[in-house]
Amino acid sequence: SQQGEEDPQALSIQEGENATMNCSYKTSINNLQWYRQNSGRGLVHLILIRSNEREKHSGRLRVTLDTSKKSSSLLITASRAADTASYFCATRGGGVNDKIIFGKGTRLHILP
Amino acid sequence: NAGVTQTPKFQVLKTGQSMTLQCAQDMNHNSMYWYRQDPGMGLRLIYYSASEGTTDKGEVPNGYNVSRLNKREFSLRLESAAPSQTSVYFCASSVGRGQYEQYFGPGTRLTVT
Repeated sequence: SQQGEEDPQALSIQEGENATMNCSYKTSINNLQWYRQNSGRGLVHLILIRSNEREKHSGRLRVTLDTSKKSSSLLITASRAADTASYFCATRGGGVNDKIIFGKGTRLHILP
Repeated sequence: NAGVTQTPKFQVLKTGQSMTLQCAQDMNHNSMYWYRQDPGMGLRLIYYSASEGTTDKGEVPNGYNVSRLNKREFSLRLESAAPSQTSVYFCASSVGRGQYEQYFGPGTRLTVT
C-alpha cells in the first residue's frame, strides 16, 4: 500500500519560476525523504526531514513538514532546465521494522 | 567509487524462463533493497536485506527470490518469468535501515514476452 501521495501528478513551469510539490501521508512517520529521478535513471536522494523538524534547506531546495496535517512540501526556487525530472516523497513509519514507502511521484517539466 | 551497480541494463525473457539480476555496492552499506517501478505505480519494494545474512519480504515478493551473497552483493532471481514481471528493477543500498538515505543503481529494464 502506498503511504505518500504527491500532488500534483504533473507540473510545467517556466525556467526561473519556483516549483512547489506536495506530499501527503496517512500514518505517523519517523522521517520523510525526497528523491529525484531523471528520465531513464535511478533515484537520487535530495533531502531528509525528521518528524521533529519543520523545515530544511539544501541549496535551492526547501522542504517543510507539517505532522499535524500529515503533509510535506518541496520547493525548488529559480528552476532550471536540469530540474526537469520526477520527484518522489518517501516516508518511513515509526516502528523499528517499518520500511520506506515511496509515493507515485510528481513529473516536473521546466519550459525554456 | 562506483556506488551501486546493476547488471544487465536490459533483458528480454520469454514466459517461463529464469534469470538473475545482479546488484553490488562498494559503499560498505549494511542494508540493500530491490524495487520494481511500473508506470503510474511509483516504486514498490520486492525484498530487502537489513544486514548481511538476512532477507525479508517487501510489498510484492511473489514470483521472486533473493540472495545476499555477501555484504556487497544482493541478487534477485525470477524462477519462472511472467509478463506481469515486465518492469524496471532498481537495486538500492543504505547505511542501515529506514532512517538513512538510499543510494540507487541505474536500473534493469526487463521485458517478458
